[in-house]
Amino acid sequence: GQNIDQPTEMTATEGAIVQINCTYQTSGFNGLFWYQQHAGEAPTFLSYNVLDGLEEKGRFSSFLSRSKGYSYLLLKELQMKDSASYLCAVRDRRNNNDMRFGAGTRLTVKP
Amino acid sequence: GAGVSQSPRYKVAKRGQDVALRCDPISGHVSLFWYQQALGQGPEFLTYFQNEAQLDKSGLPSDRFFAERPEGSVSTLKIQRTQQEDSAVYLCACRDEQVSSYNEQFFGPGTRLTVL
Repeated sequence: GQNIDQPTEMTATEGAIVQINCTYQTSGFNGLFWYQQHAGEAPTFLSYNVLDGLEEKGRFSSFLSRSKGYSYLLLKELQMKDSASYLCAVRDRRNNNDMRFGAGTRLTVKP
Repeated sequence: GAGVSQSPRYKVAKRGQDVALRCDPISGHVSLFWYQQALGQGPEFLTYFQNEAQLDKSGLPSDRFFAERPEGSVSTLKIQRTQQEDSAVYLCACRDEQVSSYNEQFFGPGTRLTVL
């Protein structure tokens, strides 16, 4: 299976930049997803990386290095509404391309 | 429908009771997934359907858990003789294999199960 590690909690200030890291181990890697989940709500898709490099999408960017088994999610110009859990998920060819999730990083944005 | 719906949204069961959780995926989405999410944790994979075929049930924690999708659309997750450790949010997700370059999964709001 996969080992997917990400920090449990992070705190940042409104207007700042925060980077949430994710490391993984899998032999059938076929893409990495970031999802946002507000308390009591469904996860919603943020980004997808399958090739090395940076994908930018408005205030959110995601980076992947396949050789290092490493990704990060970068959130710029933080807003209070960005307070949520951020879930890193890896898709694996050996699991019918199913996703396996990390435990999530709970981000708190303070004024 | 426009999104994934699940019912009931909340379920309280007495230990030993059987429960059935329903998922209505986005119309036409071939793949359907069930996850179990404990408080403060990420979703844990339970099972996967492609149309009506259950291709992977490796995540089901015991033989008390059973899932079906008889006509390839609506799915039901059944838990028999519920135990307190079954208390969690059960998420359903679907994926359209045809269109999206991302092949992302779309999640329902979940069913919060509490076993007393």
